[in-house]
Amino acid sequence: QKEVEQNSGPLSVPEGAIASLNCTYSDRGSQSFFWYRQYSGKSPELIMSIYSNGDKEDGRFTAQLNKASQYVSLLIRDSQPSDSATYLCAVTIQGAQKLVFGQGTRLTINP
Amino acid sequence: GAVVSQHPSRVICKSGTSVKIECRSLDFQATTMFWYRQFPKQSLMLMATSNEGSKATYEQGVEKDKFLINHASLTLSTLTVTSAHPEDSSFYICSAFRQGAEAFFGQGTRLTVV
Repeated sequence: QKEVEQNSGPLSVPEGAIASLNCTYSDRGSQSFFWYRQYSGKSPELIMSIYSNGDKEDGRFTAQLNKASQYVSLLIRDSQPSDSATYLCAVTIQGAQKLVFGQGTRLTINP
Repeated sequence: GAVVSQHPSRVICKSGTSVKIECRSLDFQATTMFWYRQFPKQSLMLMATSNEGSKATYEQGVEKDKFLINHASLTLSTLTVTSAHPEDSSFYICSAFRQGAEAFFGQGTRLTVV
């Protein structure tokens, strides 16, 4: 089992709709969870971080964490074509700063 | 603005030569930096953890004699790809944690070995 799993997509969403991205992780002791956005040929850019159960909202983005289910998600409201990118879920392994990434979900927002 | 700076952004080298990539933390000190490699359409794979003042920790399957890491100061880590071959062509990215909580990435280095 991979440490961090995401559906690789592609996920297509019409402009203005909500895009929902999901991620599961295997290490129950993981404490920090991140969503990064990566445009083609560029390095990842931090979108959201979340550390405790529940929802965290920042503008059009909402991260949701459920540690009991070992599940973290990212919702993008009012999706824009500029949101088209690969979204990477990352988790820190317990006791370390080391980030482990999922394989990424390619998201396409259709005008 | 960028908090982690990586240089060069692109490099083309001949097979058998060595290439050095620099990673700097701009407004904070980083005792630990991380080096990743990303092949096309794949996710980031951690290669090694760079520790200031001590030896780097390499992930399983990464040759430490081929990928030399030096972390001589609290703001600079370097990765040297020695005797590069075409299969080493990839996107190399460094990262560092600021304030211990969030990792920021350098701009990445696109290495092409011809």
